[in-house]
Amino acid sequence: DAMVIQNPRYQVTQFGKPVTLSCSQTLNHNVMYWYQQKSSQAPKLLFHYYDKDFNNEADTPDNFQSRRPNTSFCFLDIRSPGLGDAAMYLCATSWGPQGLNYGYTFGSGTRLTVV
Amino acid sequence: AQTVTQSQPEMSVQEAETVTLSCTYDTSESDYYLFWYKQPPSRQMILVIRQEAYKQQNATENRFSVNFQKAAKSFSLKISDSQLGDAAMYFCAYRRSSNTGKLIFGQGTTLQVKP
Repeated sequence: DAMVIQNPRYQVTQFGKPVTLSCSQTLNHNVMYWYQQKSSQAPKLLFHYYDKDFNNEADTPDNFQSRRPNTSFCFLDIRSPGLGDAAMYLCATSWGPQGLNYGYTFGSGTRLTVV
Repeated sequence: AQTVTQSQPEMSVQEAETVTLSCTYDTSESDYYLFWYKQPPSRQMILVIRQEAYKQQNATENRFSVNFQKAAKSFSLKISDSQLGDAAMYFCAYRRSSNTGKLIFGQGTTLQVKP
């Protein structure tokens, strides 16, 4: 089945130690999103790629970076994780502009713990 | 800026009964999409139902239906014949009609289903 896969499911990192989360998709969607979701809160968009074009949200900290080497893969890099970065990180994909009404397809998320 | 508001942090329903989750949104646009997503504990967020703003007819998907009131900017979700598997956090989301159309989420409503 076509899907969005996030690895790892759980990630523990040390305070200040760089960490990378990965997302892959087999849907061939041209838009990929990274959301941060803290406990019992709404997901918050960090950035997205429309094809190769990177779009950062205005309030996304500089500590967060992203890479999309090809259509299938997208990475979230946290350069110096702080305790406040502990959260669930959700990757999602979409087909734009034709598939706007179909919403997103989400991965299962990576839960990041900072110790 | 568009906003989405879910005024019910928690709801509960008896198994086999009907429950309605509320959502209001604010936008100045006339063309957009609305969604309800379900997020079970520690599981993937999945699309429950979607509505195109230009359609007057309310969307239905089996036991799930919406009451879309465009003038009032209201988009409630009705779950009929509630099942234990319906227990989850439900997010209302708005998406403008644009190339990337990022999803804007409400704060979520946690639904408990009692046997």
